[in-house]
Amino acid sequence: GAGVSQSPSNKVTEKGKDVELRCDPISGHTALYWYRQSLGQGLEFLIYFQGNSAPDKSGLPSDRFSAERTGGSVSTLTIQRTQQEDSAVYLCASSLAFSGVLAKNIQYFGAGTRLSVL
Amino acid sequence: AQRVTQPEKLLSVFKGAPVELKCNYSYSGSPELFWYVQYSRQRLQLLLRHISRESIKGFTADLNKGETSFHLKKPFAQEEDSAMYYCALCDTSGTYKYIFGTGTRLKVLA
Repeated sequence: GAGVSQSPSNKVTEKGKDVELRCDPISGHTALYWYRQSLGQGLEFLIYFQGNSAPDKSGLPSDRFSAERTGGSVSTLTIQRTQQEDSAVYLCASSLAFSGVLAKNIQYFGAGTRLSVL
Repeated sequence: AQRVTQPEKLLSVFKGAPVELKCNYSYSGSPELFWYVQYSRQRLQLLLRHISRESIKGFTADLNKGETSFHLKKPFAQEEDSAMYYCALCDTSGTYKYIFGTGTRLKVLA
């Protein structure tokens, strides 16, 4: 596709339910990142992938959060037993490659998924 | 610890006034630094990166390794510059993890 695609764009769920957020990176981009953007909190790093592996999961807020990436492409962020404090915009970004060539480190962001937990 | 600090959550300036959005970083190696911008109802996007030494939309940013700063500057603010600005550091020591600051909202007043 032309850009990073995220779905759904909006998700309203009840407290305690599980949700899955999807990210389709730009074709050929091997690096994929998940962030959370909360009002007044800026951009919070969650996890990133090099290909299908996640070298750094340190940003995941709790064990209710998990993410996977298959085929070096699509990624899914899953939040189990959602809580009201999970309400935020979840952003996905991709970049061409991890390398010393700086142009490849530019991140391209999706439009985000706005999650509301009632 | 690697960190990016943007001390101002909100910066308001009048149209035509100079703008400086502050960014300081903590990093042990040779950093790659970026400014990203998010205009209202638009996606977060790259504004500029330090190695390019370019001016985008009148904005420039100089990497000062002595002061570990990468402040974003524009001599004359325009109303269309109103947006959320994020300073970011790319860890090139091997992980290529991105570290973002908490962002500064710039409001340019007419």
